[in-house]
Amino acid sequence: GQSLEQPSEVTAVEGAIVQINCTYQTSGFYGLSWYQQHDGGAPTFLSYNALDGLEETGRFSSFLSRSDSYGYLLLQELQMKDSASYFCATGAGSYQLTFGKGTKLSVIP
Amino acid sequence: DGGITQSPKYLFRKEGQNVTLSCEQNLNHDAMYWYRQDPGQGLRLIYYSQIVNDFQKGDIAEGYSVSREKKESFPLTVTSAQKNPTAFYLCASSTTRDPLHFGNGTRLTVT
Repeated sequence: GQSLEQPSEVTAVEGAIVQINCTYQTSGFYGLSWYQQHDGGAPTFLSYNALDGLEETGRFSSFLSRSDSYGYLLLQELQMKDSASYFCATGAGSYQLTFGKGTKLSVIP
Repeated sequence: DGGITQSPKYLFRKEGQNVTLSCEQNLNHDAMYWYRQDPGQGLRLIYYSQIVNDFQKGDIAEGYSVSREKKESFPLTVTSAQKNPTAFYLCASSTTRDPLHFGNGTRLTVT
C-alpha cells in the first residue's frame, strides 16, 4: 500500500517563503505530485517529480529525493491567494494515486 | 472550453435511498476516477475506469457502484449500503501518465 505524511497546517507571512514537506511509503513508486485545493473547490495540479531534484514552475518549486522517500513543495513570494490546502500524491501507477491528508496553508498579512 | 462537469453541486438525500452523482468530461480522456473527501482528510479513491465498459475498485469501493458506457460519462451511485455517505465527491479524468483534471465536486448530505 501507499501512505504519505505531511503537516496538517502551516502559517506564513505574505511575501515570505514556505516549504511543505511530504514523506511517503509506497510499494511501488510513480513519482510525486502536488495539488492545490481552495476551500470547497476542485484540486488543481501544481507539479510532478519523477526523478530526484528540483522542478521549478514560476513561484512554485518541488523537490524529490527517492533515496529518502521525501519531497517538498516550496512556495516563494507568498500571496494571499496561496491560502489553500496542498496535497502530495504518489502511487504504484498512474491510475491509483494515493493522496496525503493535505496541508492547510494560511497566508497572513 | 474543455472540462469536467459534476452535477449537482449540492445533493440532499434521506438515509436508505440510493443516489447517483453525474460526471461528464469533454477532454477526450480515456481514464476517469471518483474520489471521496472528508473534512481534514485527503482524497480517497472509490473507483476508476481506464476505458469504456471497464472499471476497477479503488480503496473504498464498498457501498458504491459505477458504470462506464460512454467515454464522456462516469456516474457514481451511492447505495444505501454505504454506511457514511455524507462527503464531498470529486470526479477526475486523465490521459495515461498525465495529471488528474478534477471537476468542481458534489457535496452529498444524507440525513
